[in-house]
Amino acid sequence: QKEVEQDPGPLSVPEGAIVSLNCTYSNSAFQYFMWYRQYSRKGPELLMYTYSSGNKEDGRFTAQVDKSSKYISLFIRDSQPSDSATYLCAMGRIQGAQKLVFGQGTRLTINP
Amino acid sequence: DAGVIQSPRHEVTEMGQEVTLRCKPISGHNSLFWYRQTMMRGLELLIYFNNNVPIDDSGMPEDRFSAKMPNASFSTLKIQPSEPRDSAVYFCASSLWTGGSYNEQFFGPGTRLTVL
Repeated sequence: QKEVEQDPGPLSVPEGAIVSLNCTYSNSAFQYFMWYRQYSRKGPELLMYTYSSGNKEDGRFTAQVDKSSKYISLFIRDSQPSDSATYLCAMGRIQGAQKLVFGQGTRLTINP
Repeated sequence: DAGVIQSPRHEVTEMGQEVTLRCKPISGHNSLFWYRQTMMRGLELLIYFNNNVPIDDSGMPEDRFSAKMPNASFSTLKIQPSEPRDSAVYFCASSLWTGGSYNEQFFGPGTRLTVL
């Protein structure tokens, strides 16, 4: 069983829709939770970062962490074609926080 | 400002050949990471350095893989001999490590390696 599970999709939604992306994990030692966005033929870039549990909002993006369920989510409101990319969740421990474990990535397409 | 620089961007080689991938981290960063990305396995950490010293190489798949960081501004990942299953996109990332907690990692554009 992988430490981090993420549905690779692909996911295709119309412009303006609310998008929900999710990851589950098995290691309760994870305390840092991140979402990276990766455009085609580019390197990943950090989109959202959360420490421990709770919600974090940044513009149209909201990240949620539910440690009791070992489940994290990324919500995109008013989705735009420019949001079309692969979204990767990533997690890190307090001890050895630099060593991130990534999900498989979900490929998202927003249709105009 | 220049981000992480990787070269070459594309590499096509034949099985058994030596491959060397190069990375220049962001100036001032003291941590460097090598990752491999494939459709099947996703993005995996191979090795990382703090202050030019290898900290964790448990992700290096085999002895055919080696990485060096001779100074703060340069690192190499070498595969010798290369095999078709090494075909992947290899990313280098760097961060400003302050000790303890998570520090954002900045990724380069990647090197797309094809081994025939």
